[in-house]
Amino acid sequence: QSALTQPPSASGSPGQSVAISCTGTSSDVGGYNYVSWYQQHPGKAPKLIIYEVSKRPSGVPDRFSGSKSGNTASLTVSGLQAEDEADYYCSSYAGSNNFVFGAGTKVTVL
Amino acid sequence: QVQLVQSGGGVVQPGRSLRLSCAASGFTFSHYGMHWVRQAPGKGLEWVAVIWYDGSNKYYADSVKGRFTISRDNSKNTLFLQVNSLRAEDTAVFYCARGGSGSVWNLDYWGQGTLVTVSS
Repeated sequence: QSALTQPPSASGSPGQSVAISCTGTSSDVGGYNYVSWYQQHPGKAPKLIIYEVSKRPSGVPDRFSGSKSGNTASLTVSGLQAEDEADYYCSSYAGSNNFVFGAGTKVTVL
Repeated sequence: QVQLVQSGGGVVQPGRSLRLSCAASGFTFSHYGMHWVRQAPGKGLEWVAVIWYDGSNKYYADSVKGRFTISRDNSKNTLFLQVNSLRAEDTAVFYCARGGSGSVWNLDYWGQGTLVTVSS
């Protein structure tokens, strides 16, 4: 199972928005609504910030939003803050009890 | 609150074995599927394995099939990963994660990670 495709990096100034794409195939992202997004700060464990394409766990700010169109999912971080600087990973159920992550995107707050 | 506390990592020689543990608290462990995910140094996340809430089903990434075994002891609220025939490329931080209440494919809580270094 190949990793989902994410841009290696993205950046924005405080207060701006940044969008990260996650491209798969009809066998994973496009075929199921089990797309999640995780935030990982250096040396820390990943944290779930979006699940089932667009749902936010309790405690996650509504600045984080998710969507999907065809084989591509997207994470948008609005009102960028310094603490949003981190690595972001998407994941998707890939059928037949397989699971795949994206390669990760490093978000820099300028 | 949900806690997953990991143990069992370390430095191990190529070809040797190790057992990783993940002790759960703050939720009814026997009601949730559990995952192992690994991250090689400076690299991205790689899904390793999942086990159903009752241990009835286990599924693995192709890269570890036949060498790694996921298991659980619901009486002790603990998840395990037996890693055998270790290779240099298995060097990674291993995380346990809970499969969320909506679906086992929502990894909603993660352990702190444990580093496995395969080196002679």
